Amino acid sequence: DAGVIQSPRHEVTEMGQEVTLRCKPISGHDYLFWYRQTMMRGLELLIYFNNNVPIDDSGMPEDRFSAKMPNASFSTLKIQPSEPRDSAVYFCASTVRGALHFGNGTRLTVT
Amino acid sequence: GNSVTQMEGPVTLSEEAFLTINCTYTATGYPSLFWYVQYPGEGLQLLLKATKADDKGSNKGFEATYRKETTSFHLEKGSVQVSDSAVYFCALSDDPGGYQKVTFGTGTKLQVIP
Repeated sequence: DAGVIQSPRHEVTEMGQEVTLRCKPISGHDYLFWYRQTMMRGLELLIYFNNNVPIDDSGMPEDRFSAKMPNASFSTLKIQPSEPRDSAVYFCASTVRGALHFGNGTRLTVT
Repeated sequence: GNSVTQMEGPVTLSEEAFLTINCTYTATGYPSLFWYVQYPGEGLQLLLKATKADDKGSNKGFEATYRKETTSFHLEKGSVQVSDSAVYFCALSDDPGGYQKVTFGTGTKLQVIP
Protein backbone atom coordinates (compact mmCIF):
# COMPACT_ATOMS: atom_id res chain seq x y z
CA ASP A 1 0.00 0.00 0.00
CA ALA A 2 1.75 3.13 -1.28
CA GLY A 3 -0.44 5.50 0.67
CA VAL A 4 -1.89 8.74 -0.61
CA ILE A 5 0.53 10.34 -3.04
CA GLN A 6 0.63 14.08 -3.62
CA SER A 7 2.68 16.08 -6.05
CA PRO A 8 4.56 18.27 -6.09
CA ARG A 9 5.89 18.38 -2.51
CA HIS A 10 6.81 22.02 -2.87
CA GLU A 11 5.55 24.66 -5.28
CA VAL A 12 6.77 28.22 -5.51
CA THR A 13 4.99 30.48 -7.94
CA GLU A 14 4.35 34.13 -8.62
CA MET A 15 1.10 35.88 -7.96
CA GLY A 16 -1.29 35.54 -10.87
CA GLN A 17 0.03 32.19 -12.07
CA GLU A 18 -2.04 29.04 -12.29
CA VAL A 19 -1.19 26.29 -9.82
CA THR A 20 -2.26 22.65 -10.07
CA LEU A 21 -1.89 20.25 -7.18
CA ARG A 22 -2.26 16.54 -7.73
CA CYS A 23 -3.38 13.61 -5.63
CA LYS A 24 -3.52 9.86 -6.06
CA PRO A 25 -5.70 8.26 -3.37
CA ILE A 26 -5.26 4.79 -1.95
CA SER A 27 -6.67 2.19 -4.30
CA GLY A 28 -10.18 1.18 -3.32
CA HIS A 29 -10.89 4.29 -1.27
CA ASP A 30 -14.11 5.94 -2.43
CA TYR A 31 -13.86 9.22 -0.50
CA LEU A 32 -11.30 11.90 -1.28
CA PHE A 33 -10.78 15.13 0.63
CA TRP A 34 -8.76 18.29 0.04
CA TYR A 35 -7.64 20.23 3.12
CA ARG A 36 -5.65 23.42 3.53
CA GLN A 37 -3.43 24.00 6.57
CA THR A 38 -2.19 27.40 7.74
CA MET A 39 -0.91 28.69 11.05
CA MET A 40 -3.73 31.20 11.28
CA ARG A 41 -6.69 29.01 10.34
CA GLY A 42 -5.49 25.48 11.08
CA LEU A 43 -6.91 22.66 8.94
CA GLU A 44 -9.78 23.64 6.68
CA LEU A 45 -11.79 21.22 4.57
CA LEU A 46 -12.02 22.62 1.06
CA ILE A 47 -13.97 19.95 -0.81
CA TYR A 48 -14.65 16.25 -0.77
CA PHE A 49 -15.67 13.64 -3.31
CA ASN A 50 -17.47 10.33 -3.09
CA ASN A 51 -17.05 7.94 -6.01
CA ASN A 52 -15.51 10.78 -8.03
CA VAL A 53 -18.51 13.07 -7.50
CA PRO A 54 -18.09 16.33 -5.55
CA ILE A 55 -20.30 16.15 -2.47
CA ASP A 56 -19.52 19.34 -0.59
CA ASP A 57 -17.45 22.23 -1.89
CA SER A 58 -18.64 24.78 0.65
CA GLY A 59 -15.11 25.16 1.98
CA MET A 60 -13.65 26.30 -1.33
CA PRO A 61 -12.66 29.87 -0.53
CA GLU A 62 -13.29 31.54 -3.88
CA ASP A 63 -14.06 30.91 -7.50
CA ARG A 64 -10.32 30.95 -8.12
CA PHE A 65 -10.25 27.46 -6.59
CA SER A 66 -11.52 24.42 -8.46
CA ALA A 67 -11.16 20.68 -7.96
CA LYS A 68 -11.79 17.70 -10.18
CA MET A 69 -11.71 13.95 -9.87
CA PRO A 70 -11.84 12.51 -13.40
CA ASN A 71 -11.39 8.93 -12.15
CA ALA A 72 -11.00 6.93 -8.97
CA SER A 73 -7.22 7.21 -8.92
CA PHE A 74 -6.62 10.91 -9.56
CA SER A 75 -7.71 14.31 -8.36
CA THR A 76 -6.51 17.86 -8.94
CA LEU A 77 -6.90 21.11 -7.07
CA LYS A 78 -6.36 24.17 -9.21
CA ILE A 79 -5.90 27.79 -8.21
CA GLN A 80 -6.19 30.37 -10.96
CA PRO A 81 -5.02 33.06 -10.51
CA SER A 82 -2.96 32.42 -7.40
CA GLU A 83 -2.49 35.05 -4.68
CA PRO A 84 0.01 35.33 -1.78
CA ARG A 85 -2.76 34.55 0.74
CA ASP A 86 -3.12 31.12 -0.88
CA SER A 87 0.27 30.16 0.58
CA ALA A 88 -0.33 27.09 2.75
CA VAL A 89 0.16 23.36 2.92
CA TYR A 90 -2.51 21.53 0.95
CA PHE A 91 -3.35 17.99 1.98
CA CYS A 92 -5.23 15.30 0.17
CA ALA A 93 -6.80 12.46 2.18
CA SER A 94 -8.79 9.37 1.29
CA THR A 95 -10.87 6.81 3.13
CA VAL A 96 -13.34 4.00 2.73
CA ARG A 97 -15.50 3.97 5.87
CA GLY A 98 -12.41 4.25 7.98
CA ALA A 99 -9.84 6.67 9.26
CA LEU A 100 -8.66 9.42 6.99
CA HIS A 101 -5.34 8.62 5.28
CA PHE A 102 -3.41 11.77 4.50
CA GLY A 103 -0.73 12.42 1.93
CA ASN A 104 2.41 14.31 2.89
CA GLY A 105 1.03 17.53 1.50
CA THR A 106 2.08 20.16 -1.01
CA ARG A 107 3.66 23.29 0.43
CA LEU A 108 2.56 26.16 -1.79
CA THR A 109 4.30 29.52 -1.67
CA VAL A 110 2.91 32.35 -3.77
CA THR A 111 5.19 35.37 -4.02
CA GLY B 1 -22.10 24.05 13.80
CA ASN B 2 -19.52 21.60 15.02
CA SER B 3 -16.33 22.82 16.66
CA VAL B 4 -13.34 21.47 18.53
CA THR B 5 -11.28 23.42 21.07
CA GLN B 6 -7.93 22.17 22.26
CA MET B 7 -5.31 23.63 24.50
CA GLU B 8 -2.80 26.01 23.06
CA GLY B 9 0.72 24.85 22.62
CA PRO B 10 3.50 24.37 22.49
CA VAL B 11 3.74 21.90 25.33
CA THR B 12 7.28 21.11 26.42
CA LEU B 13 7.90 18.08 28.61
CA SER B 14 10.87 16.11 29.80
CA GLU B 15 11.15 12.49 28.74
CA GLU B 16 9.04 10.13 30.92
CA ALA B 17 6.76 12.95 32.08
CA PHE B 18 2.97 12.59 32.11
CA LEU B 19 1.09 14.16 29.23
CA THR B 20 -2.38 15.64 29.09
CA ILE B 21 -3.71 17.59 26.12
CA ASN B 22 -7.20 18.95 26.71
CA CYS B 23 -9.91 18.80 24.09
CA THR B 24 -13.55 19.86 24.27
CA TYR B 25 -16.13 19.81 21.52
CA THR B 26 -19.47 21.21 20.43
CA ALA B 27 -21.69 19.07 18.25
CA THR B 28 -25.26 18.03 17.73
CA GLY B 29 -26.14 14.42 18.35
CA TYR B 30 -23.50 11.84 19.11
CA PRO B 31 -20.30 12.48 17.18
CA SER B 32 -17.34 10.16 16.82
CA LEU B 33 -14.14 11.59 18.33
CA PHE B 34 -10.55 11.23 17.17
CA TRP B 35 -6.99 12.14 17.91
CA TYR B 36 -4.67 12.52 14.95
CA VAL B 37 -0.89 13.05 15.09
CA GLN B 38 1.26 14.93 12.59
CA TYR B 39 5.02 14.39 12.52
CA PRO B 40 7.23 17.02 10.85
CA GLY B 41 6.91 17.05 7.09
CA GLU B 42 4.13 14.48 7.05
CA GLY B 43 0.38 14.30 6.82
CA LEU B 44 -1.89 13.49 9.75
CA GLN B 45 -2.24 9.92 11.00
CA LEU B 46 -5.05 8.53 13.10
CA LEU B 47 -3.81 7.90 16.64
CA LEU B 48 -7.00 6.71 18.34
CA LYS B 49 -10.77 7.04 18.22
CA ALA B 50 -13.95 6.59 20.23
CA THR B 51 -17.40 6.32 18.72
CA LYS B 52 -19.73 6.52 21.72
CA ALA B 53 -19.94 7.91 25.23
CA ASP B 54 -17.61 6.32 27.82
CA ASP B 55 -15.59 4.57 25.14
CA LYS B 56 -11.84 4.69 25.67
CA GLY B 57 -9.58 4.86 22.65
CA SER B 58 -5.99 3.76 23.05
CA ASN B 59 -2.89 3.28 20.93
CA LYS B 60 0.89 3.40 21.46
CA GLY B 61 0.44 4.20 25.16
CA PHE B 62 -1.93 7.11 24.46
CA GLU B 63 -5.48 7.07 25.81
CA ALA B 64 -8.57 9.26 25.59
CA THR B 65 -12.05 8.73 27.05
CA TYR B 66 -15.24 10.04 25.41
CA ARG B 67 -16.95 12.09 28.13
CA LYS B 68 -20.37 13.20 26.98
CA GLU B 69 -21.26 14.95 30.24
CA THR B 70 -18.29 17.28 29.92
CA THR B 71 -18.09 17.16 26.09
CA SER B 72 -14.41 16.31 26.38
CA PHE B 73 -11.87 13.91 24.90
CA HIS B 74 -8.58 14.63 26.64
CA LEU B 75 -5.45 12.87 25.42
CA GLU B 76 -3.15 11.30 28.02
CA LYS B 77 0.07 9.33 28.12
CA GLY B 78 1.80 8.16 31.24
CA SER B 79 5.40 8.47 30.07
CA VAL B 80 6.30 10.44 26.95
CA GLN B 81 9.31 9.78 24.74
CA VAL B 82 11.31 12.07 22.50
CA SER B 83 9.76 10.26 19.53
CA ASP B 84 6.31 11.52 20.63
CA SER B 85 7.28 15.06 19.63
CA ALA B 86 4.66 16.06 17.06
CA VAL B 87 1.48 18.08 16.62
CA TYR B 88 -1.67 16.47 18.00
CA PHE B 89 -5.13 17.23 16.60
CA CYS B 90 -8.43 16.51 18.26
CA ALA B 91 -11.27 15.98 15.79
CA LEU B 92 -14.90 14.94 15.49
CA SER B 93 -17.30 13.70 12.88
CA ASP B 94 -21.07 13.49 13.11
CA ASP B 95 -21.59 11.63 9.86
CA PRO B 96 -23.38 8.29 10.32
CA GLY B 97 -20.40 6.53 8.79
CA GLY B 98 -18.27 8.18 11.44
CA TYR B 99 -15.41 9.38 9.30
CA GLN B 100 -16.53 11.82 6.64
CA LYS B 101 -16.57 15.63 7.01
CA VAL B 102 -14.20 15.64 9.96
CA THR B 103 -13.83 18.87 11.98
CA PHE B 104 -10.34 19.40 13.39
CA GLY B 105 -9.05 21.44 16.30
CA THR B 106 -6.16 23.83 15.80
CA GLY B 107 -3.53 21.35 16.95
CA THR B 108 -1.22 21.25 19.96
CA LYS B 109 2.49 21.00 19.41
CA LEU B 110 4.30 18.69 21.82
CA GLN B 111 8.04 18.86 22.30
CA VAL B 112 9.71 16.22 24.47
CA ILE B 113 13.24 16.94 25.58
CA PRO B 114 15.71 14.26 26.72
